[in-house]
Amino acid sequence: ETGVTQTPRHLVMGMTNKKSLKCEQHLGHNAMYWYKQSAKKPLELMFVYSLEERVENNSVPSRFSPECPNSSHLFLHLHTLQPEDSALYLCASSQGAGVGYQETQYFGPGTRLLVL
Amino acid sequence: AQSVTQLGSHVSVSEGALVLLRCNYSSSVPPYLFWYVQYPNQGLQLLLKYTTGATLVKGINGFEAEFKKSETSFHLTKPSAHMSDAAEYFCAVMDVNFGNEKLTFGTGTRLTIIP
Repeated sequence: ETGVTQTPRHLVMGMTNKKSLKCEQHLGHNAMYWYKQSAKKPLELMFVYSLEERVENNSVPSRFSPECPNSSHLFLHLHTLQPEDSALYLCASSQGAGVGYQETQYFGPGTRLLVL
Repeated sequence: AQSVTQLGSHVSVSEGALVLLRCNYSSSVPPYLFWYVQYPNQGLQLLLKYTTGATLVKGINGFEAEFKKSETSFHLTKPSAHMSDAAEYFCAVMDVNFGNEKLTFGTGTRLTIIP
């Protein structure tokens, strides 16, 4: 596969469940991102990882927990979510992030999450 | 803080007509500007971007955008709409501020093409 892939594409979970979203990039990039896309709202940056280290955390609730085991994989662990967390979660990657980088971000297809 | 305003959450044009999607930005430093397109059930795809140099930028699928600093605008145009252009379009700004290369997105414009 090429580009940025995300699994699962759709997820329904209860408020007491624990689930994980997976993102994989096949572009040789060093930076990865999680975004939240809600209806009628701009995309919200959640987390940024550069070279497997978190460089940005936009005050995201602790019920969202990211993990970046290597530069190709990014996870978003979910637990005790709320109905308002229902949204499309997009993963992206870029060549780099941080000082001196202004690189194009390439997006995956997203995971549509519904919290009941 | 940087921000992006997309005028018109929905735009409808007839097939073959001019497409014009508006984007205005606010940034404290010269920005990098992007247009992304999102087709149904897909992620965002880069259409074009402005970084430096020529202010008229050409992208994929016949789209282009012009950076106008005096108007703080980066409107997206296409001379002749095609049915396949129906999608949601997002304008984004990235402040060229070392150590803070975050993309700030607008709320998007849904483009409908009328046969």
